[in-house]
Amino acid sequence: QKEVEQDPGPLSVPEGAIVSLNCTYSNSAFQYFMWYRQYSRKGPELLMYTYSSGNKEDGRFTAQVDKSSKYISLFIRDSQPSDSATYLCAFQGAQKLVFGQGTRLTINP
Amino acid sequence: EPEVTQTPSHQVTQMGQEVILRCVPISNHLYFYWYRQILGQKVEFLVSFYNNEISEKSEIFDDQFSVERPDGSNFTLKIRSTKLEDSAMYFCASSERTVSETQYFGPGTRLLVL
Repeated sequence: QKEVEQDPGPLSVPEGAIVSLNCTYSNSAFQYFMWYRQYSRKGPELLMYTYSSGNKEDGRFTAQVDKSSKYISLFIRDSQPSDSATYLCAFQGAQKLVFGQGTRLTINP
Repeated sequence: EPEVTQTPSHQVTQMGQEVILRCVPISNHLYFYWYRQILGQKVEFLVSFYNNEISEKSEIFDDQFSVERPDGSNFTLKIRSTKLEDSAMYFCASSERTVSETQYFGPGTRLLVL
């Protein structure tokens, strides 16, 4: 079983749609859960960071963690063309981050 | 807003040559990291560094790789004898403290080994 699984997409939705991105993980030692956004040929940029089960909201973004199911999600409301990027889930138990494959998202105007 | 910077942005080298990738972490950060991303693949951890020594490294980080903080601001990754499979995007990251602290990434150095 892979440590982290993330559907690479690509995912294409119309502007204004609600986007749902998901990752599953198998390592119970992961305590911190993150979503990074990566534009083409750029470094990952932190979007959301959480450490507990439940929801965390920041503007149009909501991160959801379900530790019992080892499942995390990122929801984007009122999606904009500028949200087009690759979204990486990331997990931390020790110092290193363990990343998912990334989901390539395109928001069509 | 403070940010991690990396130089060069692109590096082309011949197989067997040594390369040094440079990073300037955020100034009050104490933990430094290198990750790499082979084209089309996931971002992978290479090494973490604290208090002038390696604190964790992956199996990718073999004897060909070394890291150094030569002065108070720079953090470098050296690849002693590059191989074709070292071609990748290399990202430096830094964090204020360790586990539970956000890691901030630089823009990356694209390394191409011919």
